[in-house]
Amino acid sequence: AQTVTQSQPEMSVQEAETVTLSCTYDTSESDYYLFWYKQPPSRQMILVIRQEAYKQQNATENRFSVNFQKAAKSFSLKISDSQLGDAAMYFCASNAGGTSYGKLTFGQGTILTVHP
Amino acid sequence: NAGVTQTPKFRVLKTGQSMTLLCAQDMNHEYMYWYRQDPGMGLRLIHYSVGEGTTAKGEVPDGYNVSRLKKQNFLLGLESAAPSQTSVYFCASGRSSVIYFGPGTRLTVT
Repeated sequence: AQTVTQSQPEMSVQEAETVTLSCTYDTSESDYYLFWYKQPPSRQMILVIRQEAYKQQNATENRFSVNFQKAAKSFSLKISDSQLGDAAMYFCASNAGGTSYGKLTFGQGTILTVHP
Repeated sequence: NAGVTQTPKFRVLKTGQSMTLLCAQDMNHEYMYWYRQDPGMGLRLIHYSVGEGTTAKGEVPDGYNVSRLKKQNFLLGLESAAPSQTSVYFCASGRSSVIYFGPGTRLTVT
């Protein structure tokens, strides 16, 4: 079984500043993936970034990067140069590998507010 | 490519009524999933399918049934709706570690 915990119900950031969202997870799997999803008010689930657990290098997608600490089971998301369009609910999620790719376990979410 | 589509987008049911949610994908994905999202929570897996003709239970399957008669479609049925099933329902499909979500269906049971 997997569990994902997001301890920050809400976060806020000034436009153009940097913010970090926290996530911890627990799993007994050796092969797994970690994800950050963005859910704007439209409720569409948008994949922001993913990390394969066997890769030590932290994933980066433009202004979004992660700090993956496997031993500590920590997976934080850093958003640089924050933009108004980044305001949304952010979910951390994990899955097991193999045929369990889409069997995601989600955290409770963090609401991100971006102030102009 | 339409991606993952869901029908309907909104629905209001009375307790005890039945309905079917339709999910369709045009990406030739083997795996399809149904999730529900309750207020202030992340998504939880209801049922999933690893191929045409197969279905399996997820984390919260009670009160729901599913069918995957065609590869591109995955149906979620509620036989006797209950207020506890008021939620937003998301369908998703995928082939590898990335899955694609539909736009969601908001269901209210009164």
